[in-house]
Amino acid sequence: DARVTQTPRHKVTEMGQEVTMRCQPILGHNTVFWYRQTMMQGLELLAYFRNRAPLDDSGMPKDRFSAEMPDATLATLKIQPSEPRDSAVYFCASGLAFKQYFGPGTRLTVT
Amino acid sequence: DQQVKQNSPSLSVQEGRISILNCDYTNSMFDYFLWYKKYPAEGPTFLISISSIKDKNEDGRFTVFLNKSAKHLSLHIVPSQPGDSAVYFCAASATGGNTGKLIFGQGTTLQVKP
Repeated sequence: DARVTQTPRHKVTEMGQEVTMRCQPILGHNTVFWYRQTMMQGLELLAYFRNRAPLDDSGMPKDRFSAEMPDATLATLKIQPSEPRDSAVYFCASGLAFKQYFGPGTRLTVT
Repeated sequence: DQQVKQNSPSLSVQEGRISILNCDYTNSMFDYFLWYKKYPAEGPTFLISISSIKDKNEDGRFTVFLNKSAKHLSLHIVPSQPGDSAVYFCAASATGGNTGKLIFGQGTTLQVKP
């Protein structure tokens, strides 16, 4: 049963530190999405890729967030420098057509 | 600007009764709608979907209704079971753009009491 995997599952860091979250999409899926879950906004789309090319990253704070897909098996989301307001659960999802499959998430706490 | 809204943050129902979760959208370009279910410490999982060419789609205990004129959809769970207790997200897509992009609502936490 193919699944999206994310690492780390939990990350606690101090303000100002760099954070890198990784995602392995399901093999054969051509779109990859990064979401952030907050209480107020629900699932907020940060960025997404099709065939490894970035399609839209307008949901990300550009000055501190960056998303890349160095190859078809790896997507990364970096925050540098991190801030306490970045504390949230970050989900990666991959998909074909209009159904997306989510990873278990990375719970980030910035102190 | 929230294009997909779930106005009820939480819902509590008795086991065996019907659960009705609601979702409203504002973008008339949306033509494909999905419901996802999320348990704590897990990612959301796909539950059921509906295309705008239909007004109802059923899968076992789960039925989604779409009212295009009102820009409203609802998820009915009958009968509700304690294992259905989770956060439910409504999502919408404009398939014409062919991006696969989904816009999610804020979620509704369903509690089914034994």
